[in-house]
Amino acid sequence: NAGVTQTPKFQVLKTGQSMTLQCAQDMNHNSMYWYRQDPGMGLRLIYYSASEGTTDKGEVPNGYNVSRLNKREFSLRLESAAPSQTSVYFCASSEGDSWDEQYFGPGTRLTVT
Amino acid sequence: AQRVTQPEKLLSVFKGAPVELKCNYSYSGSPELFWYVQYSRQRLQLLLRHISRESIKGFTADLNKGETSFHLKKPFAQEEDSAMYYCALKKTSYDKVIFGPGTSLSVIP
Repeated sequence: NAGVTQTPKFQVLKTGQSMTLQCAQDMNHNSMYWYRQDPGMGLRLIYYSASEGTTDKGEVPNGYNVSRLNKREFSLRLESAAPSQTSVYFCASSEGDSWDEQYFGPGTRLTVT
Repeated sequence: AQRVTQPEKLLSVFKGAPVELKCNYSYSGSPELFWYVQYSRQRLQLLLRHISRESIKGFTADLNKGETSFHLKKPFAQEEDSAMYYCALKKTSYDKVIFGPGTSLSVIP
């Protein structure tokens, strides 16, 4: 099992450019999450998907959109990147409706200039 | 709103010394609490959870509902414990996880 995979690992964008971060899991998990990690702020939830076909806003959704393409894949899109979106982005998944742990991807380091 | 606080951004201890990473939460119900750890160049991973009441890598954490705390403790720190530690809260089994800001632990040889 690869677990949770994310692409790309690194990305540099110019202000105003758009891009999509891809995430996939092979553990048949129901729930998937997108976080951003910033120094001193910890992990902040951007969006999550409790199950296939549903998405909900997290703590910091502005400037982002998500798509739960199927049970395996959950993508995060930046329509018009801003320097404030420079961060490390983590995707995670969990079985869903239980006291279960989250499994994290390796992260995507995004720089917006 | 539910909140998780970790008052120390950085914590340095000598090898062999006891270590305590503090975590406080604000929630009036009975949440499930977790500690996640991120070692250098590794993925964020679960260290332990309140409901399991187990010791992992020598670490333990006790939920104190009166003080709304879930501090992580280890009696003798090792160099390999150096990492970023996140406390996290889940209100119900169906809810999302809320993470604290994290504490970077450095164990000095």
